[in-house]
Amino acid sequence: DVKVTQSSRYLVKRTGEKVFLECVQDMDHENMFWYRQDPGLGLRLIYFSYDVKMKEKGDIPEGYSVSREKKERFSLILESASTNQTSMYLCASLAVSSYNEQFFGPGTRLTVL
Amino acid sequence: AQSVTQPDIHITVSEGASLELRCNYSYGATPYLFWYVQSPGQGLQLLLKYFSGDTLVQGIKGFEAEFKRSQSSFNLRKPSVHWSDAAEYFCAVGPFSGTYKYIFGTGTRLKVLA
Repeated sequence: DVKVTQSSRYLVKRTGEKVFLECVQDMDHENMFWYRQDPGLGLRLIYFSYDVKMKEKGDIPEGYSVSREKKERFSLILESASTNQTSMYLCASLAVSSYNEQFFGPGTRLTVL
Repeated sequence: AQSVTQPDIHITVSEGASLELRCNYSYGATPYLFWYVQSPGQGLQLLLKYFSGDTLVQGIKGFEAEFKRSQSSFNLRKPSVHWSDAAEYFCAVGPFSGTYKYIFGTGTRLKVLA
């Protein structure tokens, strides 16, 4: 089974802190995604990566950056956390050959105080 | 512009009753369509997907969905709901030409009454 893991299920940070969310997949997938999930808004794409060191902005990239130094790992960085970044963050991966099915991690619920 | 609409935010059904969750999309070409389920505290799991061919697709957990091009719809159905089906359901479309971006609907939360 494909497995996508995220470093933390719950995280509490303070305003202004630098926050790292880590995502690892074990199926050698080319593409990885970071989404933000908020009630009533569904999933919104923050960034995605289609190869090592390659990234593309999604719909809501402001206040976030990403890093992909290894194929299996995709990190989301909040340079200076703010309260409006309190949310559920979901990582996903996808193989080009899998007819475009995304595999999701369990999510990280981030609270910024 | 591409979009996905799930008009029902909440749906409540009794256990054993039938279920239909609505999804409408706006997309210029033939879309790839997906339904995902998210149980409390979990990530999303794929229920089924449509790419081409037979417009009625079968998925896991007894779910099916029908693609209707004329109505731009991809509604999810289950003939008899089980209490364990209580979850949030998301419809999605993508990826779009030249990119791997997907658009998700806002979700429908299903409550099942015993």
